[in-house]
Amino acid sequence: GENVEQHPSTLSVQEGDSAVIKCTYSDSASNYFPWYKQELGKGPQLIIDIRSNVGEKKDQRIAVTLNKTAKHFSLHITETQPEDSAVYFCAASGGSARQLTFGSGTQLTVLP
Amino acid sequence: DAMVIQNPRYQVTQFGKPVTLSCSQTLNHNVMYWYQQKSSQAPKLLFHYYDKDFNNEADTPDNFQSRRPNTSFCFLDIRSPGLGDAAMYLCATSGTPGYTEAFFGQGTRLTVV
Repeated sequence: GENVEQHPSTLSVQEGDSAVIKCTYSDSASNYFPWYKQELGKGPQLIIDIRSNVGEKKDQRIAVTLNKTAKHFSLHITETQPEDSAVYFCAASGGSARQLTFGSGTQLTVLP
Repeated sequence: DAMVIQNPRYQVTQFGKPVTLSCSQTLNHNVMYWYQQKSSQAPKLLFHYYDKDFNNEADTPDNFQSRRPNTSFCFLDIRSPGLGDAAMYLCATSGTPGYTEAFFGQGTRLTVV
C-alpha cells in the first residue's frame, strides 16, 4: 500500500518568513495530493491540493509543488503569520489504496 | 452552510460501556469515513462507506462497528471501550473515494474512565 513520509516534524519560523514542508510517497499510481491544516481541538481543514497532471499550484500565500518522477511534493507558505501556527498534514491517494494516506504531520509555530 | 457535523464534541464513557458517536452531512456525498486520531499522530482510517457498501480496514479491531442508515448519517459504535480507545474520532465525507476533497467534521473527543 501507500506510504507517506513527512518532514520536518516540527518547524519554527519568524513571522514574515517562509515555511516549507516536504512529503514523499511510495505508490507511483497515486494521483491526488491534499494538504490539511489542523488547529488544536479541531478537525483537519483542506488548504490546498494538487493532482498528478499539474506540477505547481498557488493560492495566495500558499503553494504546492509536485515532482512525480521523484515522488515528492512540498507545501510552501510565504509571509507567515501567527495564525498559520497549526499542525499540517500531507496526504496521498488514488493508487492501490483509494483512500487518503496521511503523513505524520508537521507542527508549525510562527513566532511573532 | 453545507458541512459535516459530529455529535457530541466531547464524550466521556466508562470502561466497557458501549458508546455511539454520530456524524451527519449536508453535502450529499457518497463516501463517509471514520478516522481515529491519537495525540500528536496522523488520522488513522478505521472504515468507510461508499454508498451502502461498507469497507473495513484490515487492522480495525472488531470492537469498532459502523452503521449508515441513509446518505446523511453515519454512526461509529464502540462495543466495549478500553482505555486505549481514548482518542479524537473524525468523520469525513467525499464525493468519490480518494480523488476528491475530503471534508472533515470537528471531531468527537472520547475519554474512557
